[in-house]
Amino acid sequence: AQSVTQPDIHITVSEGASLELRCNYSYGATPYLFWYVQSPGQGLQLLLKYFSGDTLVQGIKGFEAEFKRSQSSFNLRKPSVHWSDAAEYFCAVVDGRDYKLSFGAGTTVTVRA
Amino acid sequence: GAGVSQSPSNKVTEKGKDVELRCDPISGHTALYWYRQSLGQGLEFLIYFQGNSAPDKSGLPSDRFSAERTGGSVSTLTIQRTQQEDSAVYLCASSPTEGDTQYFGPGTRLTVL
Repeated sequence: AQSVTQPDIHITVSEGASLELRCNYSYGATPYLFWYVQSPGQGLQLLLKYFSGDTLVQGIKGFEAEFKRSQSSFNLRKPSVHWSDAAEYFCAVVDGRDYKLSFGAGTTVTVRA
Repeated sequence: GAGVSQSPSNKVTEKGKDVELRCDPISGHTALYWYRQSLGQGLEFLIYFQGNSAPDKSGLPSDRFSAERTGGSVSTLTIQRTQQEDSAVYLCASSPTEGDTQYFGPGTRLTVL
């Protein structure tokens, strides 16, 4: 069965520090990969996506993610976190044969001053 | 506004009542999706529409749930005889075509008393 794992439920990071959120997937082929962010009471906003090509993708708000086929991972990174980055982050995949998004459980990021 | 819109933003209803949730996708997007976000289940797929094709209803949790999409644009998700376990945030998304990036609306928070 298809699955997406975000091992970290909650991460606390200091403002200005770097951030890395982990995502692992289980699929037979290379899926389409996404990171979404959700602020309290808001919908999901797309940060970045990977379909093919360069395995390091840049997104909005200074985020980037790297697709590693050998590790079945698509980790999200930001070099310097801002207080406004406090939110819940979801990794999601679409199997190339399917069109439904399968989401990880999410990682809540808290930013401390 | 060019984004996906949903109404109402909040809905409180009594157990046993019927509710209708509305989604207006991005103009020109042929694919429309409904997801549910709840504390216990995370984000889960409900139903998918693509153009004039028959919808994929495989994610609907029971026959109390139904959805339609009129004229290839606006969609309505109907929940009949609501139960307390239906309390969740219902998210709508649209994409230019199936398998492409999905853009989410702000969601409707449903509370069943």
